[in-house]
Amino acid sequence: SQTIHQWPATLVQPVGSPLSLECTVEGTSNPNLYWYRQAAGRGLQLLFYSVGIGQISSEVPQNLSASRPQDRQFILSSKKLLLSDSGFYLCAWSRTAAPALHFGNGTRLTVT
Amino acid sequence: QQQVKQSPQSLIVQKGGISIINCAYENTAFDYFPWYQQFPGKGPALLIAIRPDVSEKKEGRFTISFNKSAKQFSLHIMDSQPGDSATYFCAASIIYPNTGNQFYFGTGTSLTVIP
Repeated sequence: SQTIHQWPATLVQPVGSPLSLECTVEGTSNPNLYWYRQAAGRGLQLLFYSVGIGQISSEVPQNLSASRPQDRQFILSSKKLLLSDSGFYLCAWSRTAAPALHFGNGTRLTVT
Repeated sequence: QQQVKQSPQSLIVQKGGISIINCAYENTAFDYFPWYQQFPGKGPALLIAIRPDVSEKKEGRFTISFNKSAKQFSLHIMDSQPGDSATYFCAASIIYPNTGNQFYFGTGTSLTVIP
């Protein structure tokens, strides 16, 4: 069976510090990978998605970047965090040509 | 532009009652309509899904009703239980094998089931 791991679960970082959130998927190969952000009490905002190693598509211009160094690894980064980067970050995956999206348990990021 | 519109924003139902959440879409290219359930502090989990060539799908107490001509679909939770209290998201997706599947989410409905 397939599983998705996301860490850390919670993170408190000062403004201006760097960020690195990691996500890995097990039990499948060549998944489509996604990063979403969810503000408190709000919906899901797509940030980045990737259909293969080194291929990143950005949906929203912002202070964040994403990378996919390995087939089942997706990383969300920032060089300098802003207060507005606080939120709940979710990694997700889907099979190529399959419609279901599967989410990890998220990272709660608080920028102070 | 919101591709999938969801209502209501919040819903309070008595235990044993029926919870109904509605969604509407415009793009007829959507080919899959899932519902997700999210508990506080957790990621959304796929609950039930339907394809546009089916008018209804039932899994236990959860039923999706789909009206292709009206471009609407809804989630019905029968015999609602306090454990069903969560946020529910409807979604619609298009499969693009080469450029990545696209998923569009509603804004969510916070369901509270009162004992």
